[in-house]
Amino acid sequence: IAGITQAPTSQILAAGRRMTLRCTQDMRHNAMYWYRQDLGLGLRLIHYSNTAGTTGKGEVPDGYSVSRANTDDFPLTLASAVPSQTSVYFCASSSTGRLGSPLHFGNGTRLTVT
Amino acid sequence: AQTVTQSQPEMSVQEAETVTLSCTYDTSESDYYLFWYKQPPSRQMILVIRQEAYKQQNATENRFSVNFQKAAKSFSLKISDSQLGDAAMYFCAYGMEYGNKLVFGAGTILRVKS
Repeated sequence: IAGITQAPTSQILAAGRRMTLRCTQDMRHNAMYWYRQDLGLGLRLIHYSNTAGTTGKGEVPDGYSVSRANTDDFPLTLASAVPSQTSVYFCASSSTGRLGSPLHFGNGTRLTVT
Repeated sequence: AQTVTQSQPEMSVQEAETVTLSCTYDTSESDYYLFWYKQPPSRQMILVIRQEAYKQQNATENRFSVNFQKAAKSFSLKISDSQLGDAAMYFCAYGMEYGNKLVFGAGTILRVKS
């Protein structure tokens, strides 16, 4: 079934550790996004990529980095995790970077930083 | 900066009845999109309906319809004949025509009573 796969589903991580959240899509979508969801705040954009080889910062990029080496993969890295990064992380994609095409979301990764 | 406000943290509706979820937004742009997403307990993000700002006609998808008031910057979601499966968190989101970032509201939890 075509879609977005995120891994892991959930993770408990000690503060200061490095962590990479994986995201893979098989829809050949050009644009990909990382959002974090926090209670009372909705979803906020962390980083995005309009096409392979390019990335951009969203609303809350500090403490996170991304890469887009190919069309299908868009990993999110926390170089040194802090408790405020405890959240549910969603990867999403759209066929183009324009909003004519809606976002398709993965099922999220629940990350707890202790 | 664009903001999206959902003033109802929680709403309840009796099965088979109608409920309206409120959303207001702030923007200086004239061309943009508005969306409603549903997030059931499974955590999956599901697009419910979308509205292009240049279209005066309100969008409709089966039991879901919107009341789009551009001058008032209001975008409410009406769910008719509510079903138990409608119980979820609902997010209102705003996106610009030539941007690729969605701004989400904080969400409204909808409970459906049998």
